[in-house]
Amino acid sequence: DAGVIQSPRHEVTEMGQEVTLRCKPISGHDYLFWYRQTMMRGLELLIYFNNNVPIDDSGMPEDRFSAKMPNASFSTLKIQPSEPRDSAVYFCASSLAFVRDPSNYGYTFGSGTRLTVV
Amino acid sequence: AQSVAQPEDQVNVAEGNPLTVKCTYSVSGNPYLFWYVQYPNRGLQFLLKYITGDNLVKGSYGFEAEFNKSQTSFHLKKPSALVSDSALYFCAVRAYSSASKIIFGSGTRLSIRP
Repeated sequence: DAGVIQSPRHEVTEMGQEVTLRCKPISGHDYLFWYRQTMMRGLELLIYFNNNVPIDDSGMPEDRFSAKMPNASFSTLKIQPSEPRDSAVYFCASSLAFVRDPSNYGYTFGSGTRLTVV
Repeated sequence: AQSVAQPEDQVNVAEGNPLTVKCTYSVSGNPYLFWYVQYPNRGLQFLLKYITGDNLVKGSYGFEAEFNKSQTSFHLKKPSALVSDSALYFCAVRAYSSASKIIFGSGTRLSIRP
């Protein structure tokens, strides 16, 4: 398996523009997580899905952020409109359900998307 | 509620010396513990985990971690540090149940000087 694939690797956009980040989880994984990493706030969980259904979006900072998972192999994180304070590295991660494989439960992370809003 | 603490933002060690990166946790019931490493411009990579059994677990790149239930700690160790070990290290915990997600610590930056 190629692992968790995120695109693009880098995104530079102007304030006010819409930004869409993409993630392809590992095939067969039940959970998908979106994280944001900044120097100031560290690693923050934004939202996670189980079997394509959003379970907890309490980490989504504002209504400008939205996430979807239309099928088991694809998820998007959208920011509209973007602001300079959204500049960060955004990570996607996926995992098996604990009940399916307790001995292998852990997250596999993608390489991240570095977003710069100017 | 689950939580994990990494008390040191940065650890500096000379190459060849032993290293320890500290982690303490709080969880109801038995813990499921992890260490992840993040190299520059990369995502977090799994390093090792503790589920049950031997308190000393071995992982990738010569790292090991010791589970101490009485002190609720899971410190990461390596007998002889390499410059290439310089990275950001995250400790993580979840309760041994089906309902909870993994909680990550704030990370410790490990710097190995030649």
